[in-house]
Amino acid sequence: DTGVSQNPRHKITKRGQNVTFRCDPISEHNRLYWYRQTLGQGPEFLTYFQNEAQLEKSRLLSDRFSAERPKGSFSTLEIQRTEQGDSAMYLCASSPDEGVEKLFFGSGTQLSVL
Amino acid sequence: GNSVTQMEGPVTLSEEAFLTINCTYTATGYPSLFWYVQYPGEGLQLLLKATKADDKGSNKGFEATYRKETTSFHLEKGSVQVSDSAVYFCALSGGFQKLVFGTGTRLLVSP
Repeated sequence: DTGVSQNPRHKITKRGQNVTFRCDPISEHNRLYWYRQTLGQGPEFLTYFQNEAQLEKSRLLSDRFSAERPKGSFSTLEIQRTEQGDSAMYLCASSPDEGVEKLFFGSGTQLSVL
Repeated sequence: GNSVTQMEGPVTLSEEAFLTINCTYTATGYPSLFWYVQYPGEGLQLLLKATKADDKGSNKGFEATYRKETTSFHLEKGSVQVSDSAVYFCALSGGFQKLVFGTGTRLLVSP
């Protein structure tokens, strides 16, 4: 069963460093989403891709954040000049044509900024 | 704006007890409503959904009814098992390709 795969599972970094996460969606899912989840909260939407096009971005996604999906398959989320407030679980989800009606989530990347 | 409010946890039950997890929402328009479940160490999984008023979503013995008049989507199960221990998230479709989640409710079921 090839579900949504996220790497790394855990990332510890120092404040000010850049980090990059990778998400491999379920094969042939053309829609890909990034969410962020902080402790005790539900996931919050960050951004959405349909194939390689980034079609929506949340205001949570400051200019230090950038996401790409260059070939419409895997996606990367980069955070530049990390801050302690960036510490969270970063979740990736993919979907076939049903869109948000049927999301498949990965296990997430836990980021800790020291 | 769109928002979801869930009852705070943890909810602690004995096996075979009846479960209710309350969820109410605020939304413009007519969103779809969802329950997602997160088992320890795993990603969120769609448990059930309802797309319009009075629809009942059901799966694995869980069910929830879309109540427009009370803006609610409470999750129920008649007899919980230890394996149901997880965190449950209520969510709504909050606009273009976006889900809005509640804060989650942890369920602990003891033998």
